[in-house]
Amino acid sequence: SQQGEEDPQALSIQEGENATMNCSYKTSINNLQWYRQNSGRGLVHLILIRSNEREKHSGRLRVTLDTSKKSSSLLITASRAADTASYFCAHSTLGGGGNKLTFGTGTQLKVEL
Amino acid sequence: DSGVTQTPKHLITATGQRVTLRCSPRSGDLSVYWYQQSLDQGLQFLIHYYNGEERAKGNILERFSAQQFPDLHSELNLSSLELGDSALYFCASSGGDRARGYTFGSGTRLTVV
Repeated sequence: SQQGEEDPQALSIQEGENATMNCSYKTSINNLQWYRQNSGRGLVHLILIRSNEREKHSGRLRVTLDTSKKSSSLLITASRAADTASYFCAHSTLGGGGNKLTFGTGTQLKVEL
Repeated sequence: DSGVTQTPKHLITATGQRVTLRCSPRSGDLSVYWYQQSLDQGLQFLIHYYNGEERAKGNILERFSAQQFPDLHSELNLSSLELGDSALYFCASSGGDRARGYTFGSGTRLTVV
């Protein structure tokens, strides 16, 4: 399977702490994206990092990409209870004129008060 | 509201039946993607359409088919339904701004009994 894997599967932290999630994939990629999903709802795009970029920031989010190791990490700083959700990485590959976004297995983050 | 509309939100049907899921993409987006999310398989890419043409295919069963119409809305047809087809089906759309990633709808929860 070309599906990416995320680590940890679940993470529980206190409000104000930082949360780090890691993602690995197996193929050459065009870009890597992170999404958030609240229970049973649609996914929301958080951030995209291109294959020629190594680090990107957006608000309290910091994403790194290491294409040599085929891995990425998402750091959420100063977490809040509202950050409780599942987080998915997704790598984008191009081929046959189409775009394919393959999602990882996800990390369930719980931020407690 | 993400701008991607999926109907119906919930669907309960019997094994062997056929259903149609509908998706209206975000205004201006030409690409539509279908994903299946289940507990054991995670998020699986099914198919990608761009401006009415099929562009990429993923793990879509032969019992499933999709199309994108001239007004850019898309339909996913699922036939000869089995218990294992019970899942959340998401539609997503994207446009020219790749940095925006995909915009997901809120999904259709299909239960096959």
